[in-house]
Amino acid sequence: EVLLLESGGGLVQPGGSLRLSCAASGFSFNNYAMNWVRQAPGKGLEWVSFISAITSNTYSVDSVKGRFSISRDNPKNTLYLQMNNLRAADTAIYYCARGYSVSGTYHFSFDSWGQGTLVTVSS
Amino acid sequence: QSALTQPPSVSGSPGQSVTISCSGTSDDIGTYNRVSWYQQSPGTAPKLMIYEVNSRPSGVPDRFSGSKSGNTASLTISGLQAEDEADYYCSSFTTSTTYVFGTGTKVTVL
Repeated sequence: EVLLLESGGGLVQPGGSLRLSCAASGFSFNNYAMNWVRQAPGKGLEWVSFISAITSNTYSVDSVKGRFSISRDNPKNTLYLQMNNLRAADTAIYYCARGYSVSGTYHFSFDSWGQGTLVTVSS
Repeated sequence: QSALTQPPSVSGSPGQSVTISCSGTSDDIGTYNRVSWYQQSPGTAPKLMIYEVNSRPSGVPDRFSGSKSGNTASLTISGLQAEDEADYYCSSFTTSTTYVFGTGTKVTVL
């Protein structure tokens, strides 16, 4: 069974930092691209960042560029999101989501999701 | 990158069909057949229902179908069931090598 377990969320002041982790199990983590997707309270989904499986190429939404950094540790089966200079607008549930891949073919979607970790940015 | 545009809500009686539209631009839906749809019930994580416009992952009922015309994608739920009541989001890959989600649609089963 595919499991994704996020951790590291909490209350932080504006301008502060947090590092989110996503522990993966039940699949070959190093064969899959991974993403972070967030959802502000009562709002819709927003894609945040992507990291490829092997080469660790990364892409992010403009609103977090220069502040957030996605990374992965394949031997530890763990995905990370380093978040710096946090703003109130970053308050959200942060989900890690696996890139959907079948037999090595990537399908530009997200097939497995964790339950999320809540980040609250407030003074 | 602005969010894709979806109607806030749609409704139907059990057994009926409902269709949710997802309007984008030539920078996303119009260029790629990389549109996906997600179902989210309250307090739970999203679930992938459709990928690459009209393909269903294993385990998704064939009542769910997708299509695309120009810059607009659609999700149709046929034979609506009470368990289909949820929020639905479209998503597309973009020419900026990013992803964009839709604004979300609440489906109500009357």
